[in-house]
Amino acid sequence: GAVVSQHPSWVICKSGTSVKIECRSLDFQATTMFWYRQFPKQSLMLMATSNEGSKATYEQGVEKDKFLINHASLTLSTLTVTSAHPEDSSFYICSARKPGQYGRERFGAGELFFGEGSRLTVL
Amino acid sequence: ELKVEQNPLFLSMQEGKNYTIYCNYSTTSDRLYWYRQDPGKSLESLFVLLSNGAVKQEGRLMASLDTKARLSTLHITAAVHDLSATYFCAVDRIVSGGSNYKLTFGKGTLLTVNP
Repeated sequence: GAVVSQHPSWVICKSGTSVKIECRSLDFQATTMFWYRQFPKQSLMLMATSNEGSKATYEQGVEKDKFLINHASLTLSTLTVTSAHPEDSSFYICSARKPGQYGRERFGAGELFFGEGSRLTVL
Repeated sequence: ELKVEQNPLFLSMQEGKNYTIYCNYSTTSDRLYWYRQDPGKSLESLFVLLSNGAVKQEGRLMASLDTKARLSTLHITAAVHDLSATYFCAVDRIVSGGSNYKLTFGKGTLLTVNP
């Protein structure tokens, strides 16, 4: 299957600092990338949808200024947690959507592939 | 708003037994995924189900999709300890505007297989 790489896999930072997490699709160009947050023993919560070259679409309740998303190319999206606080500690997972195929699948409905996740701990 | 309900949320079973995890969703979908998550790890894709009546099998796991009933099942046959993990179903559907697809997850089923 396709490969999506996330970096770093874990990071510890001091309160008030900013942390950047990268998500790369290694063997395909992703039409769309997604950022999720997962608290312990809970499901994944979609934070935002990121399309290359345009502003990210944030889910309700997610602070745009807190979680900055940049999708500079078809293979790279970044999530920056600004002025991190202990409550931002979480497992962040990205996913990238492979372009769909005309005919069998409608355009845009390509399969999703997930990164390895990034565990953020804010002290 | 699409709702995805998974049950049971917790499942403790003995090795060798069979069981089924259910995933109900509230509106039409374009595809349904089943994922496995081990503690501290990201998601591992198990199955992608595209159409009504789709059935896929891999080892001791079999997934099916009934789009009319808006129901997917993940059946475990002769469970082994290595299957212990959290299993998520997720429904992929186009959102308003028609330009983006969005994945909505169930709450997950924590499966523990005991010797």
